[in-house]
Amino acid sequence: SQTIHQWPATLVQPVGSPLSLECTVEGTSNPNLYWYRQAAGRGLQLLFYSVGIGQISSEVPQNLSASRPQDRQFILSSKKLLLSDSGFYLCAWSLGLAGQGADTQYFGPGTRLTVL
Amino acid sequence: ILNVEQSPQSLHVQEGDSTNFTCSFPSSNFYALHWYRWETAKSPEALFVMTLNGDEKKKGRISATLNTKEGYSYLYIKGSQPEDSATYLCAFIPQGGSQGNLIFGKGTKLSVKP
Repeated sequence: SQTIHQWPATLVQPVGSPLSLECTVEGTSNPNLYWYRQAAGRGLQLLFYSVGIGQISSEVPQNLSASRPQDRQFILSSKKLLLSDSGFYLCAWSLGLAGQGADTQYFGPGTRLTVL
Repeated sequence: ILNVEQSPQSLHVQEGDSTNFTCSFPSSNFYALHWYRWETAKSPEALFVMTLNGDEKKKGRISATLNTKEGYSYLYIKGSQPEDSATYLCAFIPQGGSQGNLIFGKGTKLSVKP
């Protein structure tokens, strides 16, 4: 069966510090991968998605970036965190078989990021 | 900007009550609608993916309907149990949208009292 891991579970970082959040998927090959953020009082917002190694699409301009160095690894990074980067970050994967939009997405446990 | 609205924002019911809540989305350019359940301290869990007008899906005591012409979906829970307590999210995908770009509502938080 497939599993998705995220770490760390919680993180408190000062403004201006770098960020690296990691997500890995087991039990499947060539998944579509996604990074979402839920800021306080808002719905989940897609930040990045990837359909393959080295292929990253950004949905929202921001000071974050994503990379996919391996098939089942997705990394969210920032060189300098802002207060507005605080939130709950979720990684998700899908099989990418049902076509654009109709795939079920499976979410990881998430990372709670607080920027002070 | 595409907007997905869910109502009510929160709901408190007694065990055994049946309940329903609404997801409203743009009726033009519809491609798919997803429902997720998000329990505290857990990951969002997929309930349904709906693509056709008039679709009805069922999973145990939970069911959902879809009206793409008027832009809404209802989620029903029959005989609510305390373990149904969670936030229920809907997410809309428009035609021509980016791969897998689910546009989420803010959710309906359901609390079921024993």
